[in-house]
Amino acid sequence: SQQGEEDPQALSIQEGENATMNCSYKTSINNLQWYRQNSGRGLVHLILIRSNEREKHSGRLRVTLDTSKKSSSLLITASRAADTASYFCATDGSNYQLIWGAGTKLIIKP
Amino acid sequence: DVKVTQSSRYLVKRTGEKVFLECVQDMDHENMFWYRQDPGLGLRLIYFSYDVKMKEKGDIPEGYSVSREKKERFSLILESASTNQTSMYLCASRLAGADNEQFFGPGTRLTVL
Repeated sequence: SQQGEEDPQALSIQEGENATMNCSYKTSINNLQWYRQNSGRGLVHLILIRSNEREKHSGRLRVTLDTSKKSSSLLITASRAADTASYFCATDGSNYQLIWGAGTKLIIKP
Repeated sequence: DVKVTQSSRYLVKRTGEKVFLECVQDMDHENMFWYRQDPGLGLRLIYFSYDVKMKEKGDIPEGYSVSREKKERFSLILESASTNQTSMYLCASRLAGADNEQFFGPGTRLTVL
């Protein structure tokens, strides 16, 4: 079952600009993860944020979590062509599963 | 460097054929997963395995079965392939624990004619 919903479904920006993607979910979570998928390939883990954290950074990535609104955002600063990919959020579900959103497709124009 | 490999990148099968998709990880992970990915639907869990010989149904197990005889290998079996099983299949593994990241294989794009 899908819990996460990413917004927007697609985003196209110029290289060097910042990209922001949002994820909303429905039930309480222990953590939320963001993954990246380059065209037609497997997913790569980017960052995990726990429910007691509000913000986390990793290089050019900044993730925020608002548990009261059941939402998270992923900010990529100073975007590069190599950031072109689909981005997925995933929340921990029952039985050790992850529950995935449908993803945001990000295109960085040179 | 951690690695999850899948037996094929592309596969074309005919309706009614039995199809085996193999996944191997070299990280000694306890948990392994099979997902299918379809446009606009994100990742949907087919089956997962806590550990050797353990398996649990995911959200869409119908038409699939799995086998985990060894820790490093998790196989997905389509007993009688149908056209609606045309999809991208992704395997992942993880150390036991929901806080741990999943490591994905490159995926198998299966077409059933």
